[in-house]
Amino acid sequence: DADVTQTPRNRITKTGKRIMLECSQTKGHDRMYWYRQDPGLGLRLIYYSFDVKDINKGEISDGYSVSRQAQAKFSLSLESAIPNQTALYFCATSGPKGGDTEAFFGQGTRLTVV
Amino acid sequence: SQKIEQNSEALNIQEGKTATLTCNYTNYSPAYLQWYRQDPGRGPVFLLLIRENEKEKRKERLKVTFDTTLKQSLFHITASQPADSATYLCALSSSGANNLFFGTGTRLTVIP
Repeated sequence: DADVTQTPRNRITKTGKRIMLECSQTKGHDRMYWYRQDPGLGLRLIYYSFDVKDINKGEISDGYSVSRQAQAKFSLSLESAIPNQTALYFCATSGPKGGDTEAFFGQGTRLTVV
Repeated sequence: SQKIEQNSEALNIQEGKTATLTCNYTNYSPAYLQWYRQDPGRGPVFLLLIRENEKEKRKERLKVTFDTTLKQSLFHITASQPADSATYLCALSSSGANNLFFGTGTRLTVIP
């Protein structure tokens, strides 16, 4: 089984709909992240969490919210989806050393907002 | 704000040659620099990490250098193979920072 599992893998939704992307990890890490990837823009951080009670905004958090239900679970919600939120979304986890340790990524969720 | 540039969007090389990918950064002083491989439709996979006090790191056919004066990292794949074809991402983090900042990636194609 994958260390980091994202569901769904693909999703098409309509403008204005609420959608949740889910992530679970088996690494036992406290740190979890949500990134989005757009062509030509690279991976950009949306939200991150260092434990169940710690949630922090990343560089592009507007229009998104997150929930850390347990150490192993971190979900991303789009409250009212808009077309420019069409992107590839990745969940990641890392150990306590931050940039001094590798990050583990999920397989990604391809979201299309029409 | 910090800016991370990877030398080119795409790089084609002949099998057996050495591929060299470049990562340049500005307005930043990273303590750590990481390289990831990403295949189409898949998440990035970690390859190597190099720290600011390290000049070079090697792992099998991979070599990374880190020059904090030039603000540049070079990523080399020696004896390249078609299976090395993928997009390679560099990522930077400062000491005590909470996340990685990623470049846009270089798509490498190794031609048989």
